[in-house]
Amino acid sequence: AQKITQTQPGMFVQEKEAVTLDCTYDTSDQSYGLFWYKQPSSGEMIFLIYQGSYDEQNATEGRYSLNFQKARKSANLVISASQLGDSAMYFCAMRGFSGSARQLTFGSGTQLTVLP
Amino acid sequence: DGGITQSPKYLFRKEGQNVTLSCEQNLNHDAMYWYRQDPGQGLRLIYYSQIVNDFQKGDIAEGYSVSREKKESFPLTVTSAQKNPTAFYLCASTLLGGENAGELFFGEGSRLTVL
Repeated sequence: AQKITQTQPGMFVQEKEAVTLDCTYDTSDQSYGLFWYKQPSSGEMIFLIYQGSYDEQNATEGRYSLNFQKARKSANLVISASQLGDSAMYFCAMRGFSGSARQLTFGSGTQLTVLP
Repeated sequence: DGGITQSPKYLFRKEGQNVTLSCEQNLNHDAMYWYRQDPGQGLRLIYYSQIVNDFQKGDIAEGYSVSREKKESFPLTVTSAQKNPTAFYLCASTLLGGENAGELFFGEGSRLTVL
């Protein structure tokens, strides 16, 4: 079974500072992918970044980077230079690649608030 | 442009009524999903489908039903048996396969309120 744990229900960060959102996972799959999604108050789910389990380098997308530590089973999201528009709920997710569509798991989310 | 379309965006229902939420995708994705989200909470899987004419229960399927008659379409019916249907419903789709399958694409959601 897969499990995603996000231990920070809420986080605050000052505008222009960096913030790290924690995500740990558990899986027996040898091959898997890790995702981060942003959900603003409007409800839409916005894909931010993806890390494959065999990727040796940490994924980066603009101000987003994923700090992937495979041995520790963590996939933390780092947002640099926070902006007011970054205030949202953030979800970590994982999918296994054994072929079953069932193997897609979300964490409980972290509510990020960026302070002016 | 390719994407997922959910409708309606907002829906009000009286107790005892069935309602159907539409989900259509033109991404040629194999798998489709329905999630329920309550305020301040994460996503809970209702149903998913890997292929046409086949679907599987997720974690909270009771009181819901789905169909997958076409690859593009995966409607969700919230039946009167669902005890607390007021929630935000998200439809999603993805390719199946290996690490190049990509991310899960989401629709904009449907907000159901039972009066």
